[in-house]
Amino acid sequence: DAGVIQSPRHEVTEMGQEVTLRCKPISGHDYLFWYRQTMMRGLELLIYFNNNVPIDDSGMPEDRFSAKMPNASFSTLKIQPSEPRDSAVYFCASAVVGLGEKLFFGSGTQLSVL
Amino acid sequence: GENVEQHPSTLSVQEGDSAVIKCTYSDSASNYFPWYKQELGKGPQLIIDIRSNVGEKKDQRIAVTLNKTAKHFSLHITETQPEDSAVYFCAASVGYSTLTFGKGTMLLVSP
Repeated sequence: DAGVIQSPRHEVTEMGQEVTLRCKPISGHDYLFWYRQTMMRGLELLIYFNNNVPIDDSGMPEDRFSAKMPNASFSTLKIQPSEPRDSAVYFCASAVVGLGEKLFFGSGTQLSVL
Repeated sequence: GENVEQHPSTLSVQEGDSAVIKCTYSDSASNYFPWYKQELGKGPQLIIDIRSNVGEKKDQRIAVTLNKTAKHFSLHITETQPEDSAVYFCAASVGYSTLTFGKGTMLLVSP
């Protein structure tokens, strides 16, 4: 298996633009998580899905952030409009109950908002 | 909610030395304590975990200890090697859906 696949690896955009981050979880995993990593705040859980259904989005910083999971093999995290303080590394991770609580992380998307 | 404190933030050791990273947690209901290793440009990867019914767990050169009474747990790496250089994160949860990570420890192993 190729693991969790995220795209793009790097995104540079200007303030006010829409940004869409993409994630393909490991086949068969029924949980999907979006995390944000910054030096100041570390790894923060933004939202997670179970069987494509959003379960907890309390970590989403504000209404500018939205996430969808239209099917078991694809999820998006959208920021509209983007702001410089959104600059961070965004990770997608997936998990399956049969493997205990192990999270499998993608390589992340480095987002820079100028 | 859960709060996880991790120390030190950076740790430099010589190859062959031992390294210890410590974490404390606040929620006494937490029962799952994983450690993740993040190499440069990659996502975190689980290296070892422990549950609240176990006091210690070992896997080759790495070990984790848990003190539920004091609400702290530690990662021990023996005979460190340059490839151990990375950022290490501790976490605590009641199941992975509520995983709270520490801020991370950057470990540098010098040859």
